[in-house]
Order: sequence, then C-alpha cells, then structure tokens
Amino acid sequence: DTEVTQTPKHLVMGMTNKKSLKCEQHMGHRAMYWYKQKAKKPPELMFVYSYEKLSINESVPSRFSPECPNSSLLNLHLHALQPEDSALYLCASSQASPRDRGNEQFFGPGTRLTVL
Amino acid sequence: AQSVAQPEDQVNVAEGNPLTVKCTYSVSGNPYLFWYVQYPNRGLQFLLKYITGDNLVKGSYGFEAEFNKSQTSFHLKKPSALVSDSALYFCAVRPMFSGGYNKLIFGAGTRLAVHP
Repeated sequence: DTEVTQTPKHLVMGMTNKKSLKCEQHMGHRAMYWYKQKAKKPPELMFVYSYEKLSINESVPSRFSPECPNSSLLNLHLHALQPEDSALYLCASSQASPRDRGNEQFFGPGTRLTVL
Repeated sequence: AQSVAQPEDQVNVAEGNPLTVKCTYSVSGNPYLFWYVQYPNRGLQFLLKYITGDNLVKGSYGFEAEFNKSQTSFHLKKPSALVSDSALYFCAVRPMFSGGYNKLIFGAGTRLAVHP
C-alpha cells in the first residue's frame, strides 16, 4: 500500500466551529507532515511529526492543533478559523531518518477547506 | 537565503515535442533535489530525485532531470510530451542545513500545457 488517505475531501465550516482533518498511511513511514496550499501556490509546511513527536512547527497559529495518535495516523484539529485559512490542506509521509535527507514524501489528495 | 526558483510560470509545448521545465536553486552545501507533479484538485506526486551519483536522473512517466552543479540547476525534461502531462510541476530542495531534517523548500511551480 503506497497511498496516503485524507478525510474529508471537502469541508465547509464557520468561524466558530471545531472540526478535524484526518490523514492515514500504512507504508510504515515514521515522518508525517501537514501542508497548507493556496491556489496556484506551492505547499507551505505547517508541521512535521517524526516518530510520533512534533519536530517542526512553522509558527502556525494556535487555532491549528496537530495530533499524531500513532505511527499511521495524523490529525489536524481546527478551531476558530478565519476565512483566509481557506485552502487545500495536504498530508504527506516519508521514511524518517535523522541523517538521511533523501527520502521523498508521499502526499495525500488533500482536504479542500472553506471557512465562511 | 536558501531558495528554489522556477523562472517560468507556464510552459507551452506541442504534443510529441520535447519539454523542459526549469529549476535553479540556492542552498548551502550539497542539496537533495526533487520534482513533484500536481494534477488539478489532487495532492503532489513524486517524479524523481537527485541525491548523488549520475547527473542524469530518470523518473516516473518518462521524465528525467539533469543536475548541473556549476549552474545550480535541476531542469526537468521529457523527450516527447503527452497531453496528459499537462499539470503543475514543483521543484523542491532539501538543504543540508535546513534546521530540520525533513523540510522541503518548494519552487513557485510551473504550469505545463501540452497542446494536441
């Protein structure tokens, strides 16, 4: 299985809602990532988990809260979002090794988020 | 500053003709270089990577890329373009001193349009 799955595919939420995005992979990867992508722009890294521990937080606002319950799952909890947070949210995974930087990332199809 | 440049917003090619999508980078140390492709409303798909060794790297779907250290370039090529190659292409680099070993720097992306 070389697939990263993300649910839901689309999400519309109000600014007072709480919702969660989910990501799952069964490739045995121990590094998982959240990216935000605006239309026609490159992905922007938000968070990196390595061996289920948060290793990179790219100064993301606290209204985004990541969680890695186990090595296969990655969640992104959303609360009190703003309309400018509307974007495609991509999850990715890769092999994790502190000294090996050549591991490509495998991306999921993304969740299209609209904040009203 | 470490960066990746894709100088062309869009590349237009006739089907059957060779294509080139350009990428140059500016990083400290020896970089690891990647190409990804993104179809509409989809996640990124890995095409190929350069880690070390031969400067010509072959990847998925008939694509290849040439690493040129003196010109700090990693251009993506294909001998004969297909209409189905039309998509958004991202060059990415993982620098040696990124401060986080699983961090990619993406170029702005190049839209490839292959015309019948």
